[in-house]
Amino acid sequence: NAGVTQTPKFRILKIGQSMTLQCAQDMNHNYMYWYRQDPGMGLKLIYYSVGAGITDKGEVPNGYNVSRSTTEDFPLRLELAAPSQTSVYFCASSWASNQPQHFGDGTRLSIL
Amino acid sequence: DAKTTQPNSMESNEEEPVHLPCNHSTISGTDYIHWYRQLPSQGPEYVIHGLTSNVNNRMASLAIAEDRKSSTLILHRATLRDAAVYYCILRTSDNYGQNFVFGPGTRLSVLP
Repeated sequence: NAGVTQTPKFRILKIGQSMTLQCAQDMNHNYMYWYRQDPGMGLKLIYYSVGAGITDKGEVPNGYNVSRSTTEDFPLRLELAAPSQTSVYFCASSWASNQPQHFGDGTRLSIL
Repeated sequence: DAKTTQPNSMESNEEEPVHLPCNHSTISGTDYIHWYRQLPSQGPEYVIHGLTSNVNNRMASLAIAEDRKSSTLILHRATLRDAAVYYCILRTSDNYGQNFVFGPGTRLSVLP
């Protein structure tokens, strides 16, 4: 059972480039989440989804976009990378909003 | 979501019990108390959660005050592998996921 899988694990981008962080879960969870974690800080919610075709903004959505065409996948898109987006990105999923979240191993993104 | 407060750091000796406190004085009746931990360079890991009654699982115990305004995560015998940042979070079934906030948490050090 793979759980939550994030790709890539590491990436370096130049300012202004775009990329998509991939997230897939095989637990048939309805809820999926994207967080970012800056050094020494807690996690901040970027976007979340309560099911296929439904997404909503979290605390820090600016500069990001998401889509949820299937239950399994929840990609995060950076359109114009900025140095402030240098962070570690975690994807998570859960069966319901009040149930435990399962996290991926993260994507470490540096923008230079 | 209601706010939680935790000590910034705590220290424990190996093989001794650890009690990690969390205050949540503005908790509502539908808020579940969740605990996660994050080991260095890893994503957060679910530890335990509860609503009103004390809970036990293979990892830890959760003691919830009668008025629910505070809770304590109990690690019965700390090991070096328990050194991590521990997050206490409130989640309500009425809230689909907006502002699921991980604060700074408590950094637990375990001394050999």
